[in-house]
Amino acid sequence: DAGVIQSPRHEVTEMGQEVTLRCKPISGHDYLFWYRQTMMRGLELLIYFNNNVPIDDSGMPEDRFSAKMPNASFSTLKIQPSEPRDSAVYFCASSLTASSAEAFFGQGTRLTVV
Amino acid sequence: AQKVTQAQTEISVVEKEDVTLDCVYETRDTTYYLFWYKQPPSGELVFLIRRNSFDEQNEISGRYSWNFQKSTSSFNFTITASQVVDSAVYFCALSEPNTGTASKLTFGTGTRLQVTL
Repeated sequence: DAGVIQSPRHEVTEMGQEVTLRCKPISGHDYLFWYRQTMMRGLELLIYFNNNVPIDDSGMPEDRFSAKMPNASFSTLKIQPSEPRDSAVYFCASSLTASSAEAFFGQGTRLTVV
Repeated sequence: AQKVTQAQTEISVVEKEDVTLDCVYETRDTTYYLFWYKQPPSGELVFLIRRNSFDEQNEISGRYSWNFQKSTSSFNFTITASQVVDSAVYFCALSEPNTGTASKLTFGTGTRLQVTL
């Protein structure tokens, strides 16, 4: 398996623009997570899905952020409108159903909002 | 609330030295999982180890070893005979209980390890 695939790897956008980050989890994994990494806050969970259903979005910072998982092999994280403080590395991760399963992370998307 | 503390922000060692990265956690739950992840300069997060709260046996994998002590709520990571390729940021993480998954994680702030020749 190719692992968790995220696109794009880098994104530079202007404040106010819409940004969409994409993720393809490992085939057969039932859980999908979106994490954000910043210097100030470290790694923090934004939202996670189980079998394509959002389970906990309490980490989503504002209504400007939304995430979807239309099928088992694809998820998006959208920011609209983007702001400079959204600049961060966004990681997608997936794991098996087993309650002990570790998460496998994608390579991340480095977002810069200018 | 759960918490993971990695008090060492940055460690520098010379190649072949042994180095221990500390991790202390807080949780009220009796069933939980602890993890270590490595983030090399390329940026991805690489899974290293998972340990459940009922298994206090130390684990060794090549030059890597882990010491889990429930009595002190610590899960320390030792690299023996460090190499330049070990240079990375290392994160300790704790699973959130009662979620059906071990991968809803609280991360520590990470320890940056620099290994020089």
